[in-house]
Amino acid sequence: SAVISQKPSRDICQRGTSLTIQCQVDSQVTMMFWYRQQPGQSLTLIATANQGSEATYESGFVIDKFPISRPNLTFSTLTVSNMSPEDSSIYLCSVDPGQGHYGYTFGSGTRLTVV
Amino acid sequence: AQSVTQLDSQVPVFEEAPVELRCNYSSSVSVYLFWYVQYPNQGLQLLLKYLSGSTLVKGINGFEAEFNKSQTSFHLRKPSVHISDTAEYFCAVSDREGFKTIFGAGTRLFVKA
Repeated sequence: SAVISQKPSRDICQRGTSLTIQCQVDSQVTMMFWYRQQPGQSLTLIATANQGSEATYESGFVIDKFPISRPNLTFSTLTVSNMSPEDSSIYLCSVDPGQGHYGYTFGSGTRLTVV
Repeated sequence: AQSVTQLDSQVPVFEEAPVELRCNYSSSVSVYLFWYVQYPNQGLQLLLKYLSGSTLVKGINGFEAEFNKSQTSFHLRKPSVHISDTAEYFCAVSDREGFKTIFGAGTRLFVKA
């Protein structure tokens, strides 16, 4: 299965600033997904990122706040912009390995604290 | 659209006892079903999945789950738990295209010595 390297693993940021999270996959994948996991809660899908096209955002998430890049089939970034304490969460990237291997592979997550 | 309900937010159990974590789903179309485990400060790891065929699926670490279409359930079981099984467990569902997986709220399994 695919292996994902996600960084940073954690960060403490000042409100009003931005943080870019990177995910590198060791194989080419068509779809990458970005999730948010707020403290003590389940995962909420932020957006789906396909290479060569604009990311598709879920209800409640907008591109200005969470811009995503997907320059190739092995890499993606999520930026959390103009942060507020409400953005404090764990952010996870995941991939669908495809080719009949259903079930996601997840990165180890980025624990973001906004102060 | 699909939805997932995990019926227990926390399940405390003694070591070597059996455990069942309950999951119900709703969907207007056929779905794939998954269980994931999240250990502290880690990402999620796929435990097992139901795609089709036998309704009893076996996964890693001795876990198994049974798909019950009539009851729209996919409960996770282990006959004898270990301290190391202490973690958060998430039930998830996706449509047959495999896109946009929806996760349940999670069940925290706490194994006591």
